[in-house]
Amino acid sequence: AQSVTQLGSHVSVSEGALVLLRCNYSSSVPPYLFWYVQYPNQGLQLLLKYTSAATLVKGINGFEAEFKKSETSFHLTKPSAHMSDAAEYFCAVLPYGDSSYKLIFGSGTRLLVRP
Amino acid sequence: SQTIHQWPATLVQPVGSPLSLECTVEGTSNPNLYWYRQAAGRGLQLLFYSVGIGQISSEVPQNLSASRPQDRQFILSSKKLLLSDSGFYLCACHSLNEKLFFGSGTQLSVL
Repeated sequence: AQSVTQLGSHVSVSEGALVLLRCNYSSSVPPYLFWYVQYPNQGLQLLLKYTSAATLVKGINGFEAEFKKSETSFHLTKPSAHMSDAAEYFCAVLPYGDSSYKLIFGSGTRLLVRP
Repeated sequence: SQTIHQWPATLVQPVGSPLSLECTVEGTSNPNLYWYRQAAGRGLQLLFYSVGIGQISSEVPQNLSASRPQDRQFILSSKKLLLSDSGFYLCACHSLNEKLFFGSGTQLSVL
């Protein structure tokens, strides 16, 4: 079965520093991949998604992610962290050929931004 | 654009009491609807999935049930809540050529 692994349940960075949140998937066929953000007591908002077009995907709020098939990874980055980026981030995968859109989510990474 | 209304935002219920959480969708028709649960410190687990009125797929065995009495209404229920039912419940919606869109969630505490 497909799975998504997010390394690090908590990541702490200083304001202005690089943000790197890691995500690896298990699949022999590249799936569709997503990053979502969740602010406290709210639903999830889509940051970006990879659907087999360009391997470098740009999303909202200055985030981007790069699909690396050889590493089965889809890490999320942002060059300079802002206090408002503090939230929980989820990587998700949609298995190739799945028309039901039942995303499989990772366990999440909480991003803390220090002033 | 799509809008998901989910209520209540928070709920505290005693063990053994019934549960009804409601989700309604605006701005689309014939969507796929989903109930996810997010337990503390864990990711999102898909509980139920529906492609149409009266069509419900249960993804994991549990104490909960779901119903879809109307095209844009999705209800999560339980006859008797357990402590382990505590969590953050999210309704989600997907329509053709759209993204998976989430409601604002219900924080359920079973005491």
